[in-house]
Amino acid sequence: GAGVSQTPSNKVTEKGKYVELRCDPISGHTALYWYRQSLGQGPEFLIYFQGTGAADDSGLPNDRFFAVRPEGSVSTLKIQRTERGDSAVYLCASSLRGGLTTGELFFGEGSRLTVL
Amino acid sequence: AQSVTQLDSQVPVFEEAPVELRCNYSSSVSVYLFWYVQYPNQGLQLLLKYLSGSTLVESINGFEAEFNKSQTSFHLRKPSVHISDTAEYFCAVSYTDKLIFGTGTRLQVFP
Repeated sequence: GAGVSQTPSNKVTEKGKYVELRCDPISGHTALYWYRQSLGQGPEFLIYFQGTGAADDSGLPNDRFFAVRPEGSVSTLKIQRTERGDSAVYLCASSLRGGLTTGELFFGEGSRLTVL
Repeated sequence: AQSVTQLDSQVPVFEEAPVELRCNYSSSVSVYLFWYVQYPNQGLQLLLKYLSGSTLVESINGFEAEFNKSQTSFHLRKPSVHISDTAEYFCAVSYTDKLIFGTGTRLQVFP
């Protein structure tokens, strides 16, 4: 498709389980971002990829969170030993070159994660 | 580090009335500023942006925002709102190649 695609759109899991969330960016976009949005909050930065490498992972809350982008396109956010506090909407965005001089990130519709 | 404050969590307004959504930021360096909009059941979309040049920027659907460096503000305005403007609006500031978002303002337009 033409936009950023995220799967699954909804994921319900039990505390302690492992979860993977997938993001398929717009074709040709070299930069990819993951954000997390909790209820009543704005998007919170997690990690930013430029190509295959993580250019900035300062927003990952702890070592249970990990993300990869092995071929510079699709990215997977991985959460180990999920906790109830991980429940949120996880947003993915891409941009043509990274950096923000062009000013636009294109967002997907998000993956809603619920940890019971 | 940069931060963004949106003081109003909700703004109710009648159709055709003017509206202002407030945004203040803190930064010790030059910044780029953005407004994103999230319509119900849709992803975030860029509404408008300030990168440089004219401090007044406009969107295609009648919104405008003015960068005020002395007041560190980037308030969003529209002289006459429509029902279709009902959405969540997020102000954001750039920081080392990522965006820092405010907590959002829900604009509810009533007929």
